[in-house]
Amino acid sequence: NAGVTQTPKFQVLKTGQSMTLQCAQDMNHEYMSWYRQDPGMGLRLIHYSVGAGITDQGEVPNGYNVSRSTTEDFPLRLLSAAPSQTSVYFCASSPDRANQPQHFGDGTRLSIL
Amino acid sequence: SQELEQSPQSLIVQEGKNLTINCTSSKTLYGLYWYKQKYGEGLIFLMMLQKGGEEKSHEKITAKLDEKKQQSSLHITASQPSHAGIYLCGADFLSRDDKIIFGKGTRLHILP
Repeated sequence: NAGVTQTPKFQVLKTGQSMTLQCAQDMNHEYMSWYRQDPGMGLRLIHYSVGAGITDQGEVPNGYNVSRSTTEDFPLRLLSAAPSQTSVYFCASSPDRANQPQHFGDGTRLSIL
Repeated sequence: SQELEQSPQSLIVQEGKNLTINCTSSKTLYGLYWYKQKYGEGLIFLMMLQKGGEEKSHEKITAKLDEKKQQSSLHITASQPSHAGIYLCGADFLSRDDKIIFGKGTRLHILP
């Protein structure tokens, strides 16, 4: 079972470039989320989705867009990358949001120069 | 997240010693999750607590949720090098706004 798959694993961008981080899960989970992890800051919620066609903002949504056209995929878009977005990004999914542990992908290490 | 406070931020323990990590919320929790992250890797789910006073164990790791559902502790007995890593608590709250947020994590180092 693949679980939650994130691509790419590593990426370097220049300031102002755009990019999409891909996240796919094969468990038919309704709830999906994106977090960023920075030193000393723990995991901070960027955006989340409770099902196809439904997305909402988390704690740090500025500079990021998401969409959920299918149950399986939840891409995260950086429209104009900034150095402050240098981070490790994790995608997670769970059957639903109610008292269900999340399954995490292996992360994407993103550096913005 | 300011809604979940973890302590301590880092911990250095001699192998074989016991240790405790705390996670405190200013609001009543709906569900509390503990995860472990090895350095440079993804998160591994450890335990989920839902009921006030609930306690769960997995091997040498025990997690408890207080009766008020605002504080949880993670206790490791007879620590081993394999326990080293970052421990994070995550929670969703009674407001049911669908957000699952995390504390800043506790870095655990085990000295041989």
